[in-house]
Amino acid sequence: DVKVTQSSRYLVKRTGEKVFLECVQDMDHENMFWYRQDPGLGLRLIYFSYDVKMKEKGDIPEGYSVSREKKERFSLILESASTNQTSMYLCASRPGGATGELFFGEGSRLTVL
Amino acid sequence: GQSLEQPSEVTAVEGAIVQINCTYQTSGFYGLSWYQQHDGGAPTFLSYNALDGLEETGRFSSFLSRSDSYGYLLLQELQMKDSASYFCAVRDYKAGANNLFFGTGTRLTVIP
Repeated sequence: DVKVTQSSRYLVKRTGEKVFLECVQDMDHENMFWYRQDPGLGLRLIYFSYDVKMKEKGDIPEGYSVSREKKERFSLILESASTNQTSMYLCASRPGGATGELFFGEGSRLTVL
Repeated sequence: GQSLEQPSEVTAVEGAIVQINCTYQTSGFYGLSWYQQHDGGAPTFLSYNALDGLEETGRFSSFLSRSDSYGYLLLQELQMKDSASYFCAVRDYKAGANNLFFGTGTRLTVIP
């Protein structure tokens, strides 16, 4: 089975702190994604990567950056956390090719105080 | 840009059939996916339609009409465990990769 593992299920940070959210997948997938999920807004794409060291902005990249140094790992970075970044963050991966199936991690619930 | 519309809430009786509709607007449309998410859980993949027509997987079926920019998820023989949020998502081509753009979700409540 494909496994997507997010390093932290729950985090509490203070405004202005730098936050790292880590995601690892074990199925050699080319594509990896970071979404945030907020009530009433669904899942919104922050950044995605289709190869090592490649990254593309999604729909809401402001305030975030990403890093993909190895194929299996995709990190989301909040350079200076703000209260409006309190949210559920979901990492996902997908193999290359014609498929609509994403494999999601369990999510990281971030609270910024 | 993209837009997806689906109802925010649906309630149905155990054992019944329910249909969740999704209309979309996007450029470079490739296909429509459906995901299920239980409270506190991760979204899980249900189905993907790239061509017009009905795809059946057990109690769940998904339909796509590309000419109408419309699809639906059909859940039969509803069970209490089907209470969850259901998201449609369009696969479109953006910046050299294939992305999924999600709707805001439909919360299905199954009542006895």
